[in-house]
Amino acid sequence: ELKVEQNPLFLSMQEGKNYTIYCNYSTTSDRLYWYRQDPGKSLESLFVLLSNGAVKQEGRLMASLDTKARLSTLHITAAVHDLSATYFCAGKTDSWGKLQFGAGTQVVVTP
Amino acid sequence: EPEVTQTPSHQVTQMGQEVILRCVPISNHLYFYWYRQILGQKVEFLVSFYNNEISEKSEIFDDQFSVERPDGSNFTLKIRSTKLEDSAMYFCASSELASTADTQYFGPGTRLTVL
Repeated sequence: ELKVEQNPLFLSMQEGKNYTIYCNYSTTSDRLYWYRQDPGKSLESLFVLLSNGAVKQEGRLMASLDTKARLSTLHITAAVHDLSATYFCAGKTDSWGKLQFGAGTQVVVTP
Repeated sequence: EPEVTQTPSHQVTQMGQEVILRCVPISNHLYFYWYRQILGQKVEFLVSFYNNEISEKSEIFDDQFSVERPDGSNFTLKIRSTKLEDSAMYFCASSELASTADTQYFGPGTRLTVL
């Protein structure tokens, strides 16, 4: 079964600095997803990474996928307070199947 | 923008009671899912549903759980006899039938509290 591991599980960020969240997965994953969750809220889709070398960017967030290393990264550039949330990566082993989530990375951005 | 909706937002029930959680997926989506998240833990898959039948279910989804699509819009999760450990946030999700656009969109969740 696909296993997804994230690290770190908690990340305290200073505003203006850059940080990276790592997501490793255990077997071939058809695609890799990143979601954001604010406290008490639902999961908001951030990125879908479909193939090796895929890179997607939205504002201060950039996600990439290395299928050979079974690694995805979420890079945060010049962190701002609004980015405080929990970020989950998730893999899927077939197009329509279940999402297997990592444990999540709680991000707190402070001045 | 179309979105997945869920009702109720919060359900409190006594142990042993039946609960039904309701979801309205995005209208042109054909794949439906239920996940749950126990407080402070990761999101866990429960069941997927396509063409009026279960596609896949997890070990959590035992005989106490069932899903139904009673009409063209609703998708329900029933827990027959709730246990304390069923207390969690339950999320419904849906995705459309297109290989390059299969992001699962999540509803706002129902917080289930079993006393």
